[in-house]
Amino acid sequence: KAGVTQTPRYLIKTRGQQVTLSCSPISGHRSVSWYQQTPGQGLQFLFEYFSETQRNKGNFPGRFSGRQFSNSRSEMNVSTLELGDSALYLCASSLDTGVNQPQHFGDGTRLSIL
Amino acid sequence: GNSVTQMEGPVTLSEEAFLTINCTYTATGYPSLFWYVQYPGEGLQLLLKATKADDKGSNKGFEATYRKETTSFHLEKGSVQVSDSAVYFCALSDNDYKLSFGAGTTVTVRA
Repeated sequence: KAGVTQTPRYLIKTRGQQVTLSCSPISGHRSVSWYQQTPGQGLQFLFEYFSETQRNKGNFPGRFSGRQFSNSRSEMNVSTLELGDSALYLCASSLDTGVNQPQHFGDGTRLSIL
Repeated sequence: GNSVTQMEGPVTLSEEAFLTINCTYTATGYPSLFWYVQYPGEGLQLLLKATKADDKGSNKGFEATYRKETTSFHLEKGSVQVSDSAVYFCALSDNDYKLSFGAGTTVTVRA
């Protein structure tokens, strides 16, 4: 069974640009979550989608947005990139959003802002 | 709100030594607790989980017991190997559709 697939693996952008990251969940998984990982702030929750609906959002500015498609694939977008947006962005999927359901992570997209 | 506190690293051990990583949590409800492991250049892998008080999660020689009275979920392994070198994250999920993570503990095992 294929795992969570994130594309691209690496991305280099400059300040002011925008970027779109993609995530394909494990087949059958309907919940997709996004996290930002940085050395200073650790792992921080961005947002969670289930059946194309955003059900929770972390404490990030409106420049960070996401969506989920009917096939459960998800994208996140960051506009007007800042140097501080440099991070590893991780996507995770789970069967459902029940408390007991573990999340399965992809290998992430490494975003570097110059 | 929910939060997780992990012992500060890094932790350096010799092969076959005993490993303990402390984790305590604060939650408003009855969370599920998880340990994830991250190897260099990779995402997080679920190591083990526990969903209610006194549950013991175990996998690959690692164990952790959900202690509600002390709000703890300490990770232990009796005999570590070089291949256990990684970053370990304690996390909780509490009906809010997200994982709250600890800061992570870097473990290095020397041969």
